[in-house]
This record gives sequence, structure tokens and C-alpha cells, in this order.
Amino acid sequence: GEDVEQSLFLSVREGDSSVINCTYTDSSSTYLYWYKQEPGAGLQLLTYIFSNMDMKQDQRLTVLLNKKDKHLSLRIADTQTGDSAIYFCAENLFSDYKLSFGAGTTVTVRA
Amino acid sequence: DTEVTQTPKHLVMGMTNKKSLKCEQHMGHRAMYWYKQKAKKPPELMFVYSYEKLSINESVPSRFSPECPNSSLLNLHLHALQPEDSALYLCASSHGVLTATGELFFGEGSRLTVL
Repeated sequence: GEDVEQSLFLSVREGDSSVINCTYTDSSSTYLYWYKQEPGAGLQLLTYIFSNMDMKQDQRLTVLLNKKDKHLSLRIADTQTGDSAIYFCAENLFSDYKLSFGAGTTVTVRA
Repeated sequence: DTEVTQTPKHLVMGMTNKKSLKCEQHMGHRAMYWYKQKAKKPPELMFVYSYEKLSINESVPSRFSPECPNSSLLNLHLHALQPEDSALYLCASSHGVLTATGELFFGEGSRLTVL
């Protein structure tokens, strides 16, 4: 099974904030990632954070990293219908080329 | 330009056919990847090429044969596939090792159906 854990579903009202949570296992991972996948599409790299950072903000996206608890979160402000997708958390396990992905959180935005 | 281009977008093949999936990037990336993704599941790594040499083969059956003709191109040759090989095949690329560069970019995928 995956080393990275995520809740499977999130339903949010349009205009509200969404928070997607992820727990990872390897404290030596250098980077942690958030990918978005819309139906029928590939994975879009939304953002990533270096392991020595606590927070990263990019427009509507805020990533928080708690290394002590191995907890990563993605907050989407002012959620829109276009934000409906599957969101994957991933860590690189201090590997040159391998990422370990979570199972993905399906976010549904309702009007 | 952060683009990884894959062709074809859709492919239907019989179990006796031979076909190829193609991937191209012009970002100067030196590592290229093939992933397989089943519906509602995370992607699974198949192969990694680094500087045009095969670096990782995740025990993939020999009916999948990767090829890296040059630093911008990556192919996946398919032969004698099984229906359970039906999936979305994703190509990805990175500047170099992920521990140094971080970013891994994916293409839109090739959706393969094996009859």
C-alpha cells in the first residue's frame, strides 16, 4: 500500500476554502508535491515545497508543512468549479527519481 | 514552456498487435519517465531514463519495451499486451534528479485499450 495517506473525498461549496490533508512517512524526503488531475487528463504539478520550509503560498494555493507530525496540507482559497479534480500528494523518499503518491483526494465543488 | 507532449491520445489495440506510444519534451530535461495509471488510482512508475540511459525498470513485463532515441524523445513499444494492460500511460520529465531539482512534469497521457 501507499506510504502517503490522504482522505479520499472532499465536498466544498463554491467560494469557500478547501483544505486537503496528507500524511507522509519519510522524514528524509527532500520535496513534497501536490498534483491535480482533471477527468481524462494528465497530472498537473500545482506546487511543491522543499522540506526545510514551513509554508509556501502561490496565489490561491497555500501549502503548510509540519515536519514533526509528517503532515502536509493544501489550502485552496475561494474554491471554483474548475477546482473539481483529484488531488495527489507525493513525496520523493530522498530518491533521485521515484515519487511515492497518495491515493488521491477527489474534490467536488458544489454551487 | 513546461510541456510534455504525448501521442496518440487514445489507442485501441488487439492482443497480437504491435504499437508504440511517443513522448516529447523541449525543456532540456535529462530525465524522462513512463508511468501507468489505472482508473481512480495513483500513477505507478514503470521506467526512468537519465541522460538517455535506462536507470530504472520497475520489473515491468517484457511486452513493454522503452526506448530513448535522444534527450527529447521517449517511446514505449507495446507487443502482445493483455486486456489488464488497459490504462492511462503517462510520460513525465525532470531537469535531473528530483532530490536536486524538485519539479516533475507530466504529459496528458495516452489512454490505451487492449481488446
